[in-house]
Amino acid sequence: QLQLQESGPGLVKPSETLSLTCTVSGGSISSSSYYWGWIRQPPGKGLEWIGSIYYSGSTYYNPSLKSRVTISVDTSKNQFSLKLSSVTAADTAVYYCATSTYDFWSGYPNWFDPWGQGTLVTVSS
Amino acid sequence: DIVMTQSPDSLAVSLGERATINCKSSQSVLYSSNNKNYLAWYQEKPGQPPKLLIYWASTRESGVPDRFSGSGSGTDFTLTISSLQAEDVAVYYCQQYYGTPPTFGQGTKLEIK
Repeated sequence: QLQLQESGPGLVKPSETLSLTCTVSGGSISSSSYYWGWIRQPPGKGLEWIGSIYYSGSTYYNPSLKSRVTISVDTSKNQFSLKLSSVTAADTAVYYCATSTYDFWSGYPNWFDPWGQGTLVTVSS
Repeated sequence: DIVMTQSPDSLAVSLGERATINCKSSQSVLYSSNNKNYLAWYQEKPGQPPKLLIYWASTRESGVPDRFSGSGSGTDFTLTISSLQAEDVAVYYCQQYYGTPPTFGQGTKLEIK
């Protein structure tokens, strides 16, 4: 059974780059069955999809964040990573990594399951 | 982007009573090639990640109690809890995965009356 765990700094300064890593256990990140994604939730607010990456390296990003987001995969470590540049206080949120199955019909990610426990990232000087 | 709108924003229901949460999408999430509705429901409790309850609009995830059910098609969907238990207090989200970006509803907070 897949398990995901986020790691990275809990505090990032404004204008700097937020970097998080998600470690996958219980399965291979090179599997053609899965997309690997990031979702965030500002304190007291709803869920926002950031982006997802397929094992082949194909990526989909939220257009609202696309200019600042990079998601990559490290198959040697069974990890995938998120980089969000030029952060502001509005990027303060709990960041989740999550898995989606690949949908044969649409080619896109399906629902998100499982999720990591989440990590709070605060943007502040 | 497909906009997902849930109603109500909050709901108070007595223990043992039925709870109904609605979700409306700004365009159909029914994929004609496979006749499936690309709609999921999640339950979120404080300090925990969202938990998948329902996918394909009406398929219950393994281990989810059968008091939870999903229905609807096209643009209008419903999550029903047939007999509310204390452990069901949570925020519930719908999510469409018809296309990219996948989008979530704003959430419905469910409490005990």
